[in-house]
Amino acid sequence: AQSVAQPEDQVNVAEGNPLTVKCTYSVSGNPYLFWYVQYPNRGLQFLLKYITGDNLVKGSYGFEAEFNKSQTSFHLKKPSALVSDSALYFCAVRVSDTGRRALTFGSGTRLQVQP
Amino acid sequence: NAGVTQTPKFQVLKTGQSMTLQCAQDMNHNSMYWYRQDPGMGLRLIYYSASEGTTDKGEVPNGYNVSRLNKREFSLRLESAAPSQTSVYFCASSGQGIREKLFFGSGTQLSVL
Repeated sequence: AQSVAQPEDQVNVAEGNPLTVKCTYSVSGNPYLFWYVQYPNRGLQFLLKYITGDNLVKGSYGFEAEFNKSQTSFHLKKPSALVSDSALYFCAVRVSDTGRRALTFGSGTRLQVQP
Repeated sequence: NAGVTQTPKFQVLKTGQSMTLQCAQDMNHNSMYWYRQDPGMGLRLIYYSASEGTTDKGEVPNGYNVSRLNKREFSLRLESAAPSQTSVYFCASSGQGIREKLFFGSGTQLSVL
């Protein structure tokens, strides 16, 4: 079984401030972890993924995420938020050592960046 | 490069009607997926196809059927639509290995009255 929790429905941050969007996961095995972003009336777009190796993963648009195995977390971060970062963010997971590649998504966190 | 193309973008059905959502990808991906998105529930997997000729149920398959017509196309059929199937539907495809990431279509907004 695999599941993802995004504990915050919405995160508000001022432009220029650092942002964090939280994600915790549960899998019976080693995880593959992903972040996707959805802009209004659009499909989801890939931001970054953790497969193996360095715990700090860098992705698109200046975003990064840190894999923490002991806390089963994969929080999304950005040093300086932009108004254009306002969107819906989804964390997703799958177990690495199976042939089933279908992801399980969290419920999403809406990021609002105020000017 | 079109990526993943979904049709239609919008559809209104009456309870009991049937319809097929079409999806095609031009990235030569083996894996294709159908998800539905509902407020506060994220994306839930309906069906997926790991390769041409194979399909598997996801988290919420009841009321749906799928066909992997060829490597490019993966359709989703609602045989007898119900109001609970009102949702936004997304098709996606994915590469494998280091190229593993989902590419999503732009979605189909379906209302069942």
